[in-house]
Order: sequence, then C-alpha cells, then structure tokens
Amino acid sequence: SQTIHQWPATLVQPVGSPLSLECTVEGTSNPNLYWYRQAAGRGLQLLFYSVGIGQISSEVPQNLSASRPQDRQFILSSKKLLLSDSGFYLCAWTRRGEQYFGPGTRLTVT
Amino acid sequence: EDQVTQSPEALRLQEGESSSLNCSYTVSGLRGLFWYRQDPGKGPEFLFTLYSAGEEKEKERLKATLTKKESFLHITAPKPEDSATYLCAVDSSGGSNYKLTFGKGTLLTVNP
Repeated sequence: SQTIHQWPATLVQPVGSPLSLECTVEGTSNPNLYWYRQAAGRGLQLLFYSVGIGQISSEVPQNLSASRPQDRQFILSSKKLLLSDSGFYLCAWTRRGEQYFGPGTRLTVT
Repeated sequence: EDQVTQSPEALRLQEGESSSLNCSYTVSGLRGLFWYRQDPGKGPEFLFTLYSAGEEKEKERLKATLTKKESFLHITAPKPEDSATYLCAVDSSGGSNYKLTFGKGTLLTVNP
C-alpha cells in the first residue's frame, strides 16, 4: 500500500530564517506530487506540483521554491521566511486523479 | 478560473439529526468533484469522487450527490465521531496534471 510521509511535524522559525520541508511517498512510482498551504480561515492553496523528477510548476508567486531530486521525494524550501509563510503545509500524491494527503507540517514563523 | 463555495461555514447537529452540506462550483469543464474529511491538525482524508451529474456514492452514514452546478454531502443519523471539517474540491485540469481547487470547508460538530 502507498504511504506518504512529511517531516518535521511542527516547526517554529524566526523571520528571515531558511526553510526545508520534506515529503516522501512509498509504494508507488512516478507519482504526481503536490505542495499545498492551508492558512487559518482559508482553503487549501496549491503552491507547487510536479509530474516527474526535476519538473516543478509554480502556482503562486512567493518566496517559496520546490524541488524534486528523486522520484518519490518532494522538498519545499525558502531562503528567508516571512510572517505570512505561517500555516499548515500539506504534501499530496495522485492516483487516478484522486489526491491523497500526508499528515502535514505546522509552520509558525515568529 | 475555477471557483468552489461551500455552505454553511459551520453546522451544529444533535446526534441522529440528519442534514446536508452544500458545495457549489464553477468550472470550465468538470473532470471530477472530490469530498474530503479533515480532522484538526491532520491532513485531509479522501472520501468520494464524483464524475458526472446524477452520480451518487455512499460510505457508512455519508452520501454524496452531484448536479451540474453543485454537490451535496448528506449525513444520515450522524454520530459525534463524524465531527470534522468537510472539504469539497474540483478538478478541471487537462492531461495528467490533476490540479484541485478547494472550497474553504464546512466545520461539522455533532453533539451527543
């Protein structure tokens, strides 16, 4: 069966610090991978998606970036965090059009 | 641009009191409508996919229906463990991208 992992589970970072969130998927090959952010009072916002290694599409202009160094690994990064980057970050993969989500990372920027 | 509107924003029910959640959508071409359940502090859990108007799907106390403009999630005789945020999403992307647009969700609270 397929499993999706995210770490860390929670993170508190000061403004201006770098960020690296990791997502890995087990039990499938060449999945479409997605990064979403869920902020309080707002719906899930698609940030990036990837259809293969090294292929990244950005949905929202911001100070975040994404990379896919391996088939089942998806990384979300920032060089300098802003207060507005706080939120719940979710990674997802797709099977037959249905998206399955990881447990999420709660990021608080102070 | 795809739009998804869920109503009500919050719903309180007594245990056993059936009700429905609404998801209205505007898309250029619907490829699929999805329902998710999200518990506090956790990732959304997939519930249903609906593809065409008139389609219905059921799972335990939940039944999802679809028309050309909206979808309903009917909850029959809910229990406290059904308390969660229910999210609706649509996919109108082409090819193998499968990009979803989500509504803001309905927070359901079922009191014992």
